[in-house]
Amino acid sequence: GEDVEQSLFLSVREGDSSVINCTYTDSSSTYLYWYKQEPGAGLQLLTYIFSNMDMKQDQRLTVLLNKKDKHLSLRIADTQTGDSAIYFCAESTNDYKLSFGAGTTVTVRA
Amino acid sequence: GAVVSQHPSRVICKSGTSVKIECRSLDFQATTMFWYRQFPKKSLMLMATSNEGSKATYEQGVEKDKFLINHASLTLSTLTVTSAHPEDSSFYICSARTLDRNAEAFFGQGTRLTVV
Repeated sequence: GEDVEQSLFLSVREGDSSVINCTYTDSSSTYLYWYKQEPGAGLQLLTYIFSNMDMKQDQRLTVLLNKKDKHLSLRIADTQTGDSAIYFCAESTNDYKLSFGAGTTVTVRA
Repeated sequence: GAVVSQHPSRVICKSGTSVKIECRSLDFQATTMFWYRQFPKKSLMLMATSNEGSKATYEQGVEKDKFLINHASLTLSTLTVTSAHPEDSSFYICSARTLDRNAEAFFGQGTRLTVV
């Protein structure tokens, strides 16, 4: 989606932290999401954040939201080889239709 | 919980034929289902939104006579690609939403359609 932008590639060493960034343009976005897609598979919802929150943590995942700058990030602590996948940022307004970014391909190297 | 099953996972069909893809919510009632198309190394493009018992709402540029969507029950939506052409080859993914978990959309595994 042209309204959601994210970097296309990220390479990270196993055990390090990964940070994937996303920007969006719709100021009326209600929810912001991170999805994971492995090759040939559907999308797995990792986490989401309501627009009036600025942080959400769930085990190894930390989501930060800067609503003023319309910037969302996903931090994966202690990145593992199983974290290699495409990560999609998405936003929705009250109609719950999702607008996706192009996806960030995360490659974890040993 | 909240499992969405999509079938088939892969299908190859000849040009001019029609293909039906099923999307089922296995452990919840899906009040709304969404159909997306994903091009190689591209984002997902929303094709249409379907609510149980009513006509689907198509996004701009999506031919409703080409991509027939039926949402006959709270657990099943189907997408039929009619008179398929090679340019319809793509990865189609459905997602489902339920009223009690409004913010979350759960995705099927996707269907790889190849038209030869």
